[in-house]
Amino acid sequence: QSALTQPASVSGSPGQSITISCTGTSSDVGGYNYVSWYQQHPGKAPKLMIYKVSNRPSGVSNRFSGSKSGNTASLTISGLQADDEADYYCSSYTSSITRVVFGGGTKLTVL
Amino acid sequence: QLQLQESGPGLVKPSETLSLTCTVSGDSISSSSYYWGWIRQPPGKGLEWIGFIHHSGNTYYNPSLKSRVTISVDTSKNQFSLKVSSVTVADTAVYYCARHWTASDAFDIWGQGTMVTVSS
Repeated sequence: QSALTQPASVSGSPGQSITISCTGTSSDVGGYNYVSWYQQHPGKAPKLMIYKVSNRPSGVSNRFSGSKSGNTASLTISGLQADDEADYYCSSYTSSITRVVFGGGTKLTVL
Repeated sequence: QLQLQESGPGLVKPSETLSLTCTVSGDSISSSSYYWGWIRQPPGKGLEWIGFIHHSGNTYYNPSLKSRVTISVDTSKNQFSLKVSSVTVADTAVYYCARHWTASDAFDIWGQGTMVTVSS
């Protein structure tokens, strides 16, 4: 069982927007602004898409945005494209001895 | 351009030690701004953080694996390594090395990953 809770799957049509949630506790997501999001295509390594809740690395499309409210962080993808179909993982710093926690992952299907 | 490349045996017998090396190219592993880490992913499952190390030797480990894991760094070779002892089939996974950006607490650069199977 992962420390952070994500929906197993979400779907949307091209051009639409979707949001993936990532729920933790006050010891991780809620207590610190160190939430990151990763995109993973099948057979590929994860790619950093969002860091520190809402920041995009250079080269990441502005269609990807992040936010946080309380113990839940969210990744929103607007203007869905076929290539957005992938698995998405959230991660957070945690003050527990675990130090780094990942979510269980969400499979995004573009219909 | 920074690149990370994992290397090591793809098959390990149960009860033996899994050993992997990550070679960093395009930048020095001695930068104070980063830790260097390992993450694994069992087939069809999610990501699991194993641990990371600073070039100074400071390390953090996942408590669930700490008793069996050692991460070390060789700055002269610009490499860092992972050892997992007493492996079982549950250690079968794709193992990724990655750079951990301290200021943002995120893994910003990843290796391509290497599949390790534990089987007799």
